[in-house]
Amino acid sequence: SAVISQKPSRDICQRGTSLTIQCQVDSQVTMMFWYRQQPGQSLTLIATANQGSEATYESGFVIDKFPISRPNLTFSTLTVSNMSPEDSSIYLCSALDSSNEQFFGPGTRLTVL
Amino acid sequence: KQEVTQIPAALSVPEGENLVLNCSFTDSAIYNLQWFRQDPGKGLTSLLLIQSSQREQTSGRLNASLDKSSGRSTLYIAASQPGDSATYLCAVHPFSYGQNFVFGPGTRLSVLP
Repeated sequence: SAVISQKPSRDICQRGTSLTIQCQVDSQVTMMFWYRQQPGQSLTLIATANQGSEATYESGFVIDKFPISRPNLTFSTLTVSNMSPEDSSIYLCSALDSSNEQFFGPGTRLTVL
Repeated sequence: KQEVTQIPAALSVPEGENLVLNCSFTDSAIYNLQWFRQDPGKGLTSLLLIQSSQREQTSGRLNASLDKSSGRSTLYIAASQPGDSATYLCAVHPFSYGQNFVFGPGTRLSVLP
């Protein structure tokens, strides 16, 4: 199994600003993902964070709005840029271990005013 | 395109009851299926992972079954406790390369003392 931590756990931000969320895994993993969960909804995949190359974005998500870095096999960041109230969500980082079991971080609760 | 549904959307039971949560998926070509638990405002906790070649997995009071041909999985919780109150989500990992996990909408469970 993998243990995943995220920072910050929550934040309240002003419209038009950006927030970078950090995700740290306690072991090297091949696949890391970023999800968004809006209030009362299930999870929506934003992108797959690829080590050493550009992230792979799902339909409806673009790099300019959600730039992602993955400098090594244990760490990734997601930036939410030029925020609006519609970006208020829980943002979740996840990783696949060697048996293809998916583990999640505790999430970052973002509120945009 | 893979779609995942969960029935019921919400369930309220008295403590001590055995209960079954249902997950259905439209494409039987899956790599594995995973059940998660999510407490309000928190990340997801992995409960059980069933590989496509397996029929069931057990962990403590939890038992998950998988019938790929009919596109169904069930999560059985024995002797429910108030601490089991949470939202339960199933996620399917499609077999096709490049396709990512697809999550169901979840079942919100309340176990009353």
